[in-house]
Amino acid sequence: DAGITQSPRHKVTETGTPVTLRCHQTENHRYMYWYRQDPGHGLRLIHYSYGVKDTDKGEVSDGYSVSRSKTEDFLLTLESATSSQTSVYFCASRGGSGTTNEKLFFGSGTQLSVL
Amino acid sequence: GESVGLHLPTLSVQEGDNSIINCAYSNSASDYFIWYKQESGKGPQFIIDIRSNMDKRQGQRVTVLLNKTVKHLSLQIAATQPGDSAVYFCAETEGSGGSNYKLTFGKGTLLTVNP
Repeated sequence: DAGITQSPRHKVTETGTPVTLRCHQTENHRYMYWYRQDPGHGLRLIHYSYGVKDTDKGEVSDGYSVSRSKTEDFLLTLESATSSQTSVYFCASRGGSGTTNEKLFFGSGTQLSVL
Repeated sequence: GESVGLHLPTLSVQEGDNSIINCAYSNSASDYFIWYKQESGKGPQFIIDIRSNMDKRQGQRVTVLLNKTVKHLSLQIAATQPGDSAVYFCAETEGSGGSNYKLTFGKGTLLTVNP
């Protein structure tokens, strides 16, 4: 499996506070993704990156921003956390274009609770 | 963690039996499919994949079948073991892994293996 590390693993915060989740990969993968996982909804894409400083929105991007200043790091920021953002967040990455790089590898997740 | 299992279809089998997990997809243009396994408190783990130019692919104790006519995917697990207990997701995408690659996940099936 790809070396993908998420931090923190667990976080409790208050409504209205900013929160940043970090994803670090050691595979030199070009593409990185942030998903959230909620009961009844499965995994939903928040934002993704296709290179350093290149990012785009997913299906549930409202209230989230991302940054990718280095290949290995992809940050997810909740500018002002709301209770609806309580979820498990997963980072994922894959190598690049072409049929040999389509497998998506996941980190272990961050459990975020917004009170 | 455990909350992933809520509201999910469930399949309960006896140890040693074969398991079949089904998935319907909606995008007729999807040409690449993946099955993931997610154990409680962990991130999704790649099991097996299949391209749309194939109907069947086998791995170690697992087989994926693809029926493009009815947009249906299945995962067969032979001689199911207690360690196979987890939530299983199918995922689909189109394209050859370029920048527009976005995996869409099903909501998952909870497999419970009884000893």
